[in-house]
Parts: sequence; structure tokens; C-alpha cells
Amino acid sequence: ETGVTQSPTHLIKTRGQQVTLRCSSQSGHNTVSWYQQALGQGPQFIFQYYREEENGRGNFPPRFSGLQFPNYSSELNVNALELDDSALYLCASGTQETQYFGPGTRLLVL
Amino acid sequence: GNSVTQMEGPVTLSEEAFLTINCTYTATGYPSLFWYVQYPGEGLQLLLKATKADDKGSNKGFEATYRKETTSFHLEKGSVQVSDSAVYFCALSDSDYKLSFGAGTTVTVRA
Repeated sequence: ETGVTQSPTHLIKTRGQQVTLRCSSQSGHNTVSWYQQALGQGPQFIFQYYREEENGRGNFPPRFSGLQFPNYSSELNVNALELDDSALYLCASGTQETQYFGPGTRLLVL
Repeated sequence: GNSVTQMEGPVTLSEEAFLTINCTYTATGYPSLFWYVQYPGEGLQLLLKATKADDKGSNKGFEATYRKETTSFHLEKGSVQVSDSAVYFCALSDSDYKLSFGAGTTVTVRA
């Protein structure tokens, strides 16, 4: 039990739509990161937030955006969905040295 | 840039066999190293970590030693169980605290 929860667990969208994924972490976890895990691959870093400011971004286009809130929750927003966005999206929170992952949201884009 | 290369799978073992999963890394700084495990249908769980050279991380019978001279962090377990069947990911975190993962190694343990 990592104390990190994500919602929803599964989601189906169509190409061109927008989606918001949510993550809730434990009190004291001042860092939250989002990762995309395509089927059969390792997770790829999307971006990280530290104390509500973006603190690094991976090789993802601007249509991937995020927010971190003072209550230790965060959001990942993806606009103009593409078929290749189908993946497991993982939220990780913790200290800057150690991150704990939530169970993920599986997104299918049709 | 940072990267992690780990042994390709799948790996199939009998119960009580010895498990080794090789992991090597490339990093510009002095990274922390991690092993994460992903059970079927679940997210990632931190298995163990090491933050500096020669540190040994251990948990649930698994061990890995941070070897700076060979840039490696191989995962070992002396006697696996069926419940160890999962996908194992080696990862590193540098000064920017983002995790770079290997491609994962699927391990299946047969009774």
C-alpha cells in the first residue's frame, strides 16, 4: 500500500477528445510525477511537479499538461487524444529521492 | 543522457531456483538506483534502492549492489517462489529526480 490513489481505473476515449486523470497522494509528499507506460514497455517520464510548480518535463508534446494542488492531489490533462496515447498512466509521489506509484489509469483511445 | 539497459526476458524458473536479472546504466551524474516490481494488473511497487556506490539494497529476499566501476545494479534472489512472478524494472534517478526505466524483465516461476 503506497498511499497513492488514481482515478479512474479505466477510461475509453475517442481520437481528438480531451481527458483528465487524477492522482491523490499522502500528506508530506511534495513531489508528484506522471509516467506513461505503453504495453510491454517501461514507464516514460512525462513531467514532475514540486510544490505546485512544474519541475521537469520529458519528451512529450504540450498537449500533455498537469497541475498539482495544495491538498496533495494532482491532474494530468491530455488534449487532442491520439491513438498512440493508449497506455497505462502512472502517478508517482513522494520525496524527491524516493517515489511511490499509484495503481495507474488505463486509457484506451479509439 | 541517462539510460538503463536490463536483461531481456522472459525468464522462466522453477520454484527455489536462483534468480539474477542484469541491469546496467549510463548517467551523467551520481544516480540513485532502484528496482521496481509490477505484478499482473497492478502499478509499480518499489522493491529496493541504493543511493551511492557499494550500497546494497535488500527487501523480501531480493538484493542488488550498486557497482559504480561496472555501472551495474543486478538483482538477485537465492530461492524464488511462485509469488515472485512479475515484471521487474530497473531504474535510475539523477539530480533532477526523474526516473529513467529499463524495458522490464518478465519473470515466471513455476511450481
